[in-house]
Amino acid sequence: QVTLKESGPGILQPSQTLSLTCTFSGFSLSTYGMGVGWIRQPSGKGLEWLANIWWDDDKYYNPSLKNRLTISKDTSNNQAFLKITNVDTADTATYYCARSTPGFAYWGQGTLVTVSS
Amino acid sequence: DIQMTQSPSSLPASLGDRVTITCRASQDIGNYLRWFQQKPGKSPRLMIYGATNLANGVPSRFSGSRSGSDYSLTINSLESEDMAIYYCLQHNEYPYTFGAGTKLELK
Repeated sequence: QVTLKESGPGILQPSQTLSLTCTFSGFSLSTYGMGVGWIRQPSGKGLEWLANIWWDDDKYYNPSLKNRLTISKDTSNNQAFLKITNVDTADTATYYCARSTPGFAYWGQGTLVTVSS
Repeated sequence: DIQMTQSPSSLPASLGDRVTITCRASQDIGNYLRWFQQKPGKSPRLMIYGATNLANGVPSRFSGSRSGSDYSLTINSLESEDMAIYYCLQHNEYPYTFGAGTKLELK
């Protein structure tokens, strides 16, 4: 059974760095072809793909966030991470991680992140 | 970036109706197109993959089709549980891009 669960700080201030963790089970990011992606959704708005990491440590980012993103993984502990630097109120959203093999068939429940001073 | 133009943004419909939602891709994406259903407070659920294939557990009243750069999700005989927002996603090339969403609601 595949499960994913996101965790994050809940609230942080503008200019801080957002650190998110995706803890998953039922698959391994060391398996050939496996990947995990991050997607976010501001309240009442649409979905935005942020980044993907693959079993071979290939990484892909949404250029709209202009080098603010860093995705990484800890294969031993079945976790994937996303960091977003220099956050502002526009980064307030629910952040989801999803298994990207096959493409986003499995999602976490999401974690709400609020950026506020 | 590949733009996914989704229409309509809102779709009032009655139970038992047949409805169609469309996404138009700005570039060739082959069949790397997925459809997701999202209900309030819930994570998206995969409905269609490879443009035309039904995901596991999805009722057979859902179907996907392609005509050139237009990709469609059709729901036959609408049921109350189908009221949700639907999104398309292209995953042919990075950055992956979603359509803006279609809110399916009762007329």
